[in-house]
Amino acid sequence: AQSVTQPDIHITVSEGASLELRCNYSYGATPYLFWYVQSPGQGLQLLLKYFSGDTLVQGIKGFEAEFKRSQSSFNLRKPSVHWSDAAEYFCAVMNRDDKIIFGKGTRLHILP
Amino acid sequence: NAGVTQTPKFRVLKTGQSMTLLCAQDMNHEYMYWYRQDPGMGLRLIHYSVGEGTTAKGEVPDGYNVSRLKKQNFLLGLESAAPSQTSVYFCASSYSQGDIQYFGAGTRLSVL
Repeated sequence: AQSVTQPDIHITVSEGASLELRCNYSYGATPYLFWYVQSPGQGLQLLLKYFSGDTLVQGIKGFEAEFKRSQSSFNLRKPSVHWSDAAEYFCAVMNRDDKIIFGKGTRLHILP
Repeated sequence: NAGVTQTPKFRVLKTGQSMTLLCAQDMNHEYMYWYRQDPGMGLRLIHYSVGEGTTAKGEVPDGYNVSRLKKQNFLLGLESAAPSQTSVYFCASSYSQGDIQYFGAGTRLSVL
């Protein structure tokens, strides 16, 4: 069965520093991959998605993610975080014939 | 555009009471989903619908029922609420199964 692992429950970075959130998936074929962000008290908002093609995908709010088939990873990156990026981030995987599976989330804290 | 609207936003129930959560979307999406979010568990799919008049079980369907009488609405029912159903419930919709899911703002439910 497919699964998604986000190894880091919490991550703290200083404002202006770079960020990388890890995501590993388990699936036989190439899945659809997503990153969602959830601000406190809000629903989830899509940051970016990978379906096929270029393995480096750009999203909203300056985020990007890279699909690495050999590592079964889809890590999220941002070169310089802002205080407003403090939120919980969810990686998700889905194939064309199945349902979306979410990771357990990584909560990002920003130090001033 | 309203997108995905959930009502109510908050609710407190006593054990054994029943209630219905309403999800409405104005994007003409075929697919609709109900998730629950619990600390450290990420989002888990309760039920989903692939079109008007259809419903299907997700990962954690027990204790819940759903109906999709109209394309724009997806109702989640708790017939006899239990404390284990204390959670935040999210509705989402998508144009197709492989497409981006758009989320509502959530319903926070406490069962005492």
